[in-house]
Amino acid sequence: NAGVTQTPKFQVLKTGQSMTLQCAQDMNHEYMSWYRQDPGMGLRLIHYSVGAGITDQGEVPNGYNVSRSTTEDFPLRLLSAAPSQTSVYFCASSQNSRGEGEAFFGQGTRLTVV
Amino acid sequence: SQKIEQNSEALNIQEGKTATLTCNYTNYSPAYLQWYRQDPGRGPVFLLLIRENEKEKRKERLKVTFDTTLKQSLFHITASQPADSATYLCALTWAGKSTFGDGTTLTVKP
Repeated sequence: NAGVTQTPKFQVLKTGQSMTLQCAQDMNHEYMSWYRQDPGMGLRLIHYSVGAGITDQGEVPNGYNVSRSTTEDFPLRLLSAAPSQTSVYFCASSQNSRGEGEAFFGQGTRLTVV
Repeated sequence: SQKIEQNSEALNIQEGKTATLTCNYTNYSPAYLQWYRQDPGRGPVFLLLIRENEKEKRKERLKVTFDTTLKQSLFHITASQPADSATYLCALTWAGKSTFGDGTTLTVKP
């Protein structure tokens, strides 16, 4: 049972480039979410989804897009990378459809924008 | 605005002692509060969840209390071990959105 899988683990982008961070879960969870974590800080919610076809904004959505075409996958797209988006990105999923319960996290993607 | 504060960035204790971490929140009426452990370079790992109608919850050497009047949760690790050294995060989920504290880094010295 793989849980939550994020790819890639590391990525370096140039300012202005776009890319997609992949997230997949095999637990049939309805709720999925993306966070970013800056050094010495907690996680900040970027976007979340309560089921296929439904997404909503979190605390820091600007510069990011998401879609949820299947229950398993929840990719995060950076439209035009900026140095301020240098961070560690975590994807998570929860069985509870409102995210009010145990969250399972992926291992993270460490993104550097130069 | 809604806010979560964990009272200290770092906590150093001696092996065998009890570690107590604090999580305070404002402008919330949460139904749940969660605690996670995060090791360097890894994603958070769920430890315990406590509901608003529960005063206390235990799991092995871990204990969590939840005081909705004080808007505070305390997280205790008894008989602490060097392997308990990590960053501990509290989190509240409300209306589908989760907010995390900045974490407290615990170091247990042998």
